[in-house]
Amino acid sequence: DAGVIQSPRHEVTEMGQEVTLRCKPISGHDYLFWYRQTMMRGLELLIYFNNNVPIDDSGMPEDRFSAKMPNASFSTLKIQPSEPRDSAVYFCASSWGGSVRSGANVLTFGAGSRLTVL
Amino acid sequence: DQQVKQNSPSLSVQEGRISILNCDYTNSMFDYFLWYKKYPAEGPTFLISISSIKDKNEDGRFTVFLNKSAKHLSLHIVPSQPGDSAVYFCAASEGGSNFGNEKLTFGTGTRLTIIP
Repeated sequence: DAGVIQSPRHEVTEMGQEVTLRCKPISGHDYLFWYRQTMMRGLELLIYFNNNVPIDDSGMPEDRFSAKMPNASFSTLKIQPSEPRDSAVYFCASSWGGSVRSGANVLTFGAGSRLTVL
Repeated sequence: DQQVKQNSPSLSVQEGRISILNCDYTNSMFDYFLWYKKYPAEGPTFLISISSIKDKNEDGRFTVFLNKSAKHLSLHIVPSQPGDSAVYFCAASEGGSNFGNEKLTFGTGTRLTIIP
């Protein structure tokens, strides 16, 4: 498996523009997570899905952020309109549910999408 | 409010010596803890974990210690190697040790530099 695939790797945009980040999880994983990394707050969980259904979106900072998972192999995180304070690295991760003693729930992260909003 | 805290943003250690990375947490419901390692331009990768029913877990050069009464865990790397230079994130979950620790809370990370 190629692992978790994220695109784009880098995005530079101007304030007010719409940004869409994409993620392809590992085949067979039933959990998908979107995290944001900043210097001040480290890795923050934004939202996660189980079997394509959003379970917890309490980390989504504002209504400007939205995420979808139309099928088991694809998810998007959209920011509209974008603001300079949204500049960060956004990570997608996936895992499979089950007993942690069997190694489940260990997140596999993608390489991240670095977003810069000017 | 940061429920998982890594108070040292950076740490430098001589090659061959022991590296000790620390992590504190405030949520007494956390019962599963993990360490992730991150190289530049890559995503974090899982390193080692520990359940709250244990106080130590060892995997090769890496050992994680858990002190529940102090709400503190630490990662020991012995001996430290140049390839260990990376950012280390501590993470915690309250999902229960038998099923589904889906929601991990991460710390801010500690940048470890191993000096040759």
